[in-house]
Amino acid sequence: DTGVSQDPRHKITKRGQNVTFRCDPISEHNRLYWYRQTLGQGPEFLTYFQNEAQLEKSRLLSDRFSAERPKGSFSTLEIQRTEQGDSAMYLCASSLGIEAFFGQGTRLTVV
Amino acid sequence: QKEVEQNSGPLSVPEGAIASLNCTYSDRGSQSFFWYRQYSGKSPELIMSIYSNGDKEDGRFTAQLNKASQYVSLLIRDSQPSDSATYLCAAPPPNFNKFYFGSGTKLNVKP
Repeated sequence: DTGVSQDPRHKITKRGQNVTFRCDPISEHNRLYWYRQTLGQGPEFLTYFQNEAQLEKSRLLSDRFSAERPKGSFSTLEIQRTEQGDSAMYLCASSLGIEAFFGQGTRLTVV
Repeated sequence: QKEVEQNSGPLSVPEGAIASLNCTYSDRGSQSFFWYRQYSGKSPELIMSIYSNGDKEDGRFTAQLNKASQYVSLLIRDSQPSDSATYLCAAPPPNFNKFYFGSGTKLNVKP
């Protein structure tokens, strides 16, 4: 499979725990985006990497959220001290030029 | 004002009819526009991209762009029940550091 891969697909965690999600972009795609989507809403931008550099970060993103893309390949998104409001689908997309392709997403449920 | 606006629907059309989905955007610097299809519980799938004023056809899908009016539309001809999904309009700013998404239009195609 040469598409964008996200792991895990589902995550249930207790409030206050830390969680980490992984995204493997399409090979050679230098642009990588993280989004969050809640029911009935469009994807909400979180952060953007070009190669290993994090070039854009949403002002809506609290300091509990951090993302990395070491060596410009896979990326991780960590949420510390999870809250119930963090429950959402977390989507990763990658792009080589203009068109962006999404992975299957990680559905997070905070209980 | 949101960067990309869509009517949330639902839009209901009978099988075989033409479905017309509309989107407006606010950033005049945006040059590329995208339509994604999202089935319930799944991630968005890129189905059309358009960069120039006018129409672009791909099978049963036609995307239309009017930059002067800041308006993008998607026509689905011969609608099928399998087209029932939420359609998301997306527009990146010129630097492609993010994609702005509308909230999506839910389409129901009735057999």
